[in-house]
Formats: sequence, C-alpha cells, structure tokens
Amino acid sequence: DAGVIQSPRHEVTEMGQEVTLRCKPISGHNSLFWYRQTMMRGLELLIYFNNNVPIDDSGMPEDRFSAKMPNASFSTLKIQPSEPRDSAVYFCASTSRGLNQPQHFGDGTRLSIL
Amino acid sequence: AQSVTQLDSHVSVSEGTPVLLRCNYSSSYSPSLFWYVQHPNKGLQLLLKYTSAATLVKGINGFEAEFKKSETSFHLTKPSAHMSDAAEYFCVVSEDTSGTYKYIFGTGTRLKVLA
Repeated sequence: DAGVIQSPRHEVTEMGQEVTLRCKPISGHNSLFWYRQTMMRGLELLIYFNNNVPIDDSGMPEDRFSAKMPNASFSTLKIQPSEPRDSAVYFCASTSRGLNQPQHFGDGTRLSIL
Repeated sequence: AQSVTQLDSHVSVSEGTPVLLRCNYSSSYSPSLFWYVQHPNKGLQLLLKYTSAATLVKGINGFEAEFKKSETSFHLTKPSAHMSDAAEYFCVVSEDTSGTYKYIFGTGTRLKVLA
C-alpha cells in the first residue's frame, strides 16, 4: 500500500532558479496539504486543497510560491525565483475528508538554496 | 479558537523507564486529537488518534494516550522507553469549522532516551 510519495527527496540549487516539488497523494484521499519545516519556525502550513481546489493559501509566504493540483493524484509546489531563506524541508500530506481522519505524510523534500 | 500546547520542548528519560509527553488543547467543538512521531530525516508518522470512541487510546510501538476533557489534556505515555523511541513528537488537534477541516500542530517535544 503506497503512502504519500514526494520527489525529489533532496534538491540543491542556486538562488534565482526555479524549483518544483512534486507530490502524489494516497489514492482515494481528497485533501492535500503542503507544509514547510525549519528549525526556527517549526512546521508551517502553506496551502491545502480539497477535491483539487485550493481552500486556504494564507500560509504561502509570497508570490514567489505557487501550488497546483491538476488532478486527484498529483500536486506541485513551485518557487520562482528561489532564495536562500526558502531552504527547508517541505512535506506533503493527504487525508480522506472527515474530522477524525488523520493526515498521512510523505518523507519530505529537503531543499537547499545556495 | 483552537490551540495546542506541548508543555515540554525537550524530555530526557533513561531506557526502560516510563515516558510522559504532555499536551493540552483548546477547542470550541468536540475535537479529534492525534499524536505523530518524526524520526530524523523522515516524515511524520501517526502514532494514535482520539475520535470520541474511547478516552484511552492505544497506538503503535506501545504508546497510549488518555483524553481528559475536564483537564483539556491528551498526554502521551509509554511504560518503558526504548532507544528507538528517540524522536520528535507532535500533538495535533483537528476541528471542523464551517465545513473546513483545520489541523493545528503543537510545537513538538524532542524525546531523548539515555542508555
């Protein structure tokens, strides 16, 4: 039973470059979340989708960040242009809709912007 | 408004001794509560969940948690710590607000297990 799959696992790039992070949620889950984790700020919710529709993007830091969910099995988080302060671990999580449904997390993408 | 407070940012125990990780919450509605564990360079893994069926919830790896409404607490315990339990633990509350589900995370407790 495949869990949430994120790619790449690690990304190192120079500032100014475009970065695209990918997520495949668990089949049948209809809610998807993007989080960012840093030592300084802990775990932050960036955006989440219900049925492929963005519901709350208030956590997206600025216009350089964008997220899409073109279908139920795929989502991307894009940073353009990237900056060193974007360095973090980015997690994707999915869940079935319902109050008592836990989130299932991927293993994350460790992003380093030089 | 919802909130979750993990009372200890770091906890150290000796191997074989009990573990207690404390979590208090506030919620306007009947919440669902979860504990997650995060090992280094890994994602968050669900340990257990409370969804109003029973106040004492058993999870994986010997962990359990008790929901106490009067104390608004959901503390995580384990009778005997193992070295592999060293990790960060997150308490989470979810709430339905006008049909939108929100998950509120505590700031985490880092558990250290001493040999």
